[in-house]
Amino acid sequence: GAGVSQSPRYKVTKRGQDVALRCDPISGHVSLYWYRQALGQGPEFLTYFNYEAQQDKSGLPNDRFSAERPEGSISTLTIQRTEQRDSAMYRCASSLADRGRETQYFGPGTRLLVL
Amino acid sequence: GENVEQHPSTLSVQEGDSAVIKCTYSDSASNYFPWYKQELGKRPQLIIDIRSNVGEKKDQRIAVTLNKTAKHFSLHITETQPEDSAVYFCAASISGTYKYIFGTGTRLKVLA
Repeated sequence: GAGVSQSPRYKVTKRGQDVALRCDPISGHVSLYWYRQALGQGPEFLTYFNYEAQQDKSGLPNDRFSAERPEGSISTLTIQRTEQRDSAMYRCASSLADRGRETQYFGPGTRLLVL
Repeated sequence: GENVEQHPSTLSVQEGDSAVIKCTYSDSASNYFPWYKQELGKRPQLIIDIRSNVGEKKDQRIAVTLNKTAKHFSLHITETQPEDSAVYFCAASISGTYKYIFGTGTRLKVLA
């Protein structure tokens, strides 16, 4: 079946612009995570959804970052007033259950470049 | 805060030899430890995981061991092949949350 998909795959934006990154999880997956992955580093947790409920947003760097998953499926990560330091690979991952200890399937990521 | 340390950062082995990657975690209540393989330009993919009620788990050429007392776990790859070349990440769950903390990665190169 289809895996996790993300769009756009690449995004170049100017400093100060807002960007919206989309994640389409595997159908039926309850849990959805957003991560940021710097080059040569491991994924860094940003936020977690159980269905449509955002249960943990402790990893969001500041209030310019927000995420939603209104119908418990597709999720959007929004970065307002982008800064150069926001440049990174943003990945989402989904898992079947909500126990938090299930296999996470990662998406291909959106590479964001802020000029 | 909680953290996971991973060593070595790079590892080169001859084809057919074994490779071992080690991770140390700080949250003594962590109970789930997945390992991911990430090939160049690709997404991370789970290769093996272990839960805290088990000391060792094996899947063909890959095994993971867990020492809860010392708070470290290791990935063992035997009979390495060129296609094992990739970056490997360990991770640990954070108790009371849905979060995972990832290690900084090990770049494994298998020399033919």
